Amino acid sequence: EVQLVESGGGLVQPGGSLRLSCAASGFTFSDYWMHWVRQAPGKGLEWVSHIYSDGGTTNYADSVKGRFTISRDNAKNTLYLQMNSLRVEDTAVYYCTRDLLGIDYWGPGTLVTVSS
Amino acid sequence: EIVMTQSPATLSVSPGERATLSCRASQSLSSNLAWYQQKPGQAPRLLVYGASTRATAIPARFSGSGSGTDFTLTISSLQSEDFAIYYCQQYDTWPRTFGQGTKVEIK
Repeated sequence: EVQLVESGGGLVQPGGSLRLSCAASGFTFSDYWMHWVRQAPGKGLEWVSHIYSDGGTTNYADSVKGRFTISRDNAKNTLYLQMNSLRVEDTAVYYCTRDLLGIDYWGPGTLVTVSS
Repeated sequence: EIVMTQSPATLSVSPGERATLSCRASQSLSSNLAWYQQKPGQAPRLLVYGASTRATAIPARFSGSGSGTDFTLTISSLQSEDFAIYYCQQYDTWPRTFGQGTKVEIK
């Protein structure tokens, strides 16, 4: 069974940093592209970032470019999102997702709240 | 960036009736479009990919159609568990983009 479990969310002040992790299991992690997708409270879905299966190529939404860094450790079956210079508007549930002709699996999400 | 526009924002439907949701892209996607269903407090679930292929274990009452810039998700006979928010997403180009969602509510 495919499982994606995010961790690392919480409350952080504007300008602060947070690192999200996603533990993957039930599939060969190193074979798949992965994404982070977020959802602000009461709002729609926003794609955040993507990483190729070997970690060699990444893509970012303009809203996070230069502040967020996606990475992966295929030996540990783990996806990461390093979030720096956080803003109030980054407050959202962050989902770890697997890419396969769209997004075929989603984790339950972790809540990041940016507030003073 | 490809802008995805869904209509209507809210669709009021009686159980057993047919629901038709629309998604329009600002430029051609070929068939690189997916549909997702999201219920309150849950992560989204993939319904359709490749514009018209149902994902694993998705009931046959869900069907997707379209190509290029205009796409449709049809729910042939709404069940109580189908009342939710539906999103389309293009995976043709970067950045990936989602529509703003269509809420299907009980009439």
